[in-house]
Amino acid sequence: NAGVMQNPRHLVRRRGQEARLRCSPMKGHSHVYWYRQLPEEGLKFMVYLQKENIIDESGMPKERFSAEFPKEGPSILRIQQVVRGDSAAYFCASSPRRQGGNTGELFFGEGSRLTVL
Amino acid sequence: KQEVTQIPAALSVPEGENLVLNCSFTDSAIYNLQWFRQDPGKGLTSLLLIQSSQREQTSGRLNASLDKSSGRSTLYIAASQPGDSATYLCAVLTGGGNKLTFGTGTQLKVEL
Repeated sequence: NAGVMQNPRHLVRRRGQEARLRCSPMKGHSHVYWYRQLPEEGLKFMVYLQKENIIDESGMPKERFSAEFPKEGPSILRIQQVVRGDSAAYFCASSPRRQGGNTGELFFGEGSRLTVL
Repeated sequence: KQEVTQIPAALSVPEGENLVLNCSFTDSAIYNLQWFRQDPGKGLTSLLLIQSSQREQTSGRLNASLDKSSGRSTLYIAASQPGDSATYLCAVLTGGGNKLTFGTGTQLKVEL
């Protein structure tokens, strides 16, 4: 059973370009979370999605950032018109459908490291 | 707003020493607490998960405790090895189980 898969692992963009980060959750997981780790800082929650629904986006910047988790395919974190301050590691996590006995444990991918020149 | 603090920020110990990493959180209404390990430039590896109703969990040389009422958790590492060198992150799950709040981590170095 493959773990959480993120791609690309490394992405370089120039200021003003768009960045798209993809996340495929573990098989059987229907909850996806995105976190951002800025240099020398801790991980910060960005958004929580279930299939076709955004459940909690309280950590998302108000502009330029969007996320989706379509019925088919991976979850996408999209950053428009990137700026140098967007340079960070973006981590995706997934968890099973919440039900009796579910521990609520999150499983993380290896991250996508965005560098904005 | 949940805040998670980890002490110390960095720790250097000789191989073989037992050590304790500390984590504290401000809101005791948590769903669970997880300890992770992060190697430089890598992702997060889950080490131990403690449900809010539990007091401790053990895995090999690792033991994690949880005192929810006082908002504290400790990660005990026995007989440390150079391979244990990494950043250790504590995170609590709150908000109805929607989001993890992370501490800033303890950077551990185990020297030969």
